[in-house]
Amino acid sequence: GAGVSQSPSNKVTEKGKDVELRCDPISGHTALYWYRQSLGQGLEFLIYFQGNSAPDKSGLPSDRFSAERTGGSVSTLTIQRTQQEDSAVYLCASSLNGNTEAFFGQGTRLTVV
Amino acid sequence: GIQVEQSPPDLILQEGANSTLRCNFSDSVNNLQWFHQNPWGQLINLFYIPSGTKQNGRLSATTVATERYSLLYISSSQTTDSGVYFCAPREGGGGKLIFGQGTELSVKP
Repeated sequence: GAGVSQSPSNKVTEKGKDVELRCDPISGHTALYWYRQSLGQGLEFLIYFQGNSAPDKSGLPSDRFSAERTGGSVSTLTIQRTQQEDSAVYLCASSLNGNTEAFFGQGTRLTVV
Repeated sequence: GIQVEQSPPDLILQEGANSTLRCNFSDSVNNLQWFHQNPWGQLINLFYIPSGTKQNGRLSATTVATERYSLLYISSSQTTDSGVYFCAPREGGGGKLIFGQGTELSVKP
C-alpha cells in the first residue's frame, strides 16, 4: 500500500478483555516495528520483526503482550487481560530493511476502562 | 543500549523566529531520523540523516556521528510547525529506532 495502515484507529475495551491490533506495512518492506506512546511521553519500543521472525522483542512489557507477523507482511499485536496501564497509542512502522528509513502509521488509540 | 537526550524540552517561539533543536546520543549509531509529531499525533518524517547536512525548505539538519549529536534547524517558523520533534537514532547493526523524549515546540502568531 501507499503507507503503513493500522486498524482500528480507536479501541475502547473493558479491563480484563483481550485486544488485537493490526498493522499493514508498506508493500515490500521487510522490517516492521511496534511502539507504544503514553500521553505526553516519547515512543517506547515494543518489538521488531525482520520478515516473519522477531530478532528483538526486548520491549514487550509483560507476557500479556505478544505479536506475530505472517507472510512477511501483516502483523498483529495482541494484549491479553488488558489493564488500565495498557491505555496508550500503539504505533507501527515499517522500513525496507533494518537499516533504512522507517515510516509510521497513524496509530491505534487504546483505552482500557 | 543507546541513550538519547533532546534539548530543549520545550520551546515557545514567535512566528518568524528561527530555532535550533539538539539531539545527543550516547553511542555510535547506524543512522538517525528526525520526526515531527503534529497535534493529531501523526509522525511525519523530516530527515533521514546518518551524517552530513540536508535541507528541505525552511528545515535543515546536521548529524555529526563522530561527536554523537544531531541538530535540527527551523527557520522563519510558522504556526504549523507547532508540535513535538523527535530524533531517533538506530543502533549500530540495524534494528530498532531509539526515541528521545522530544522537544515540544509552540509557535505563536
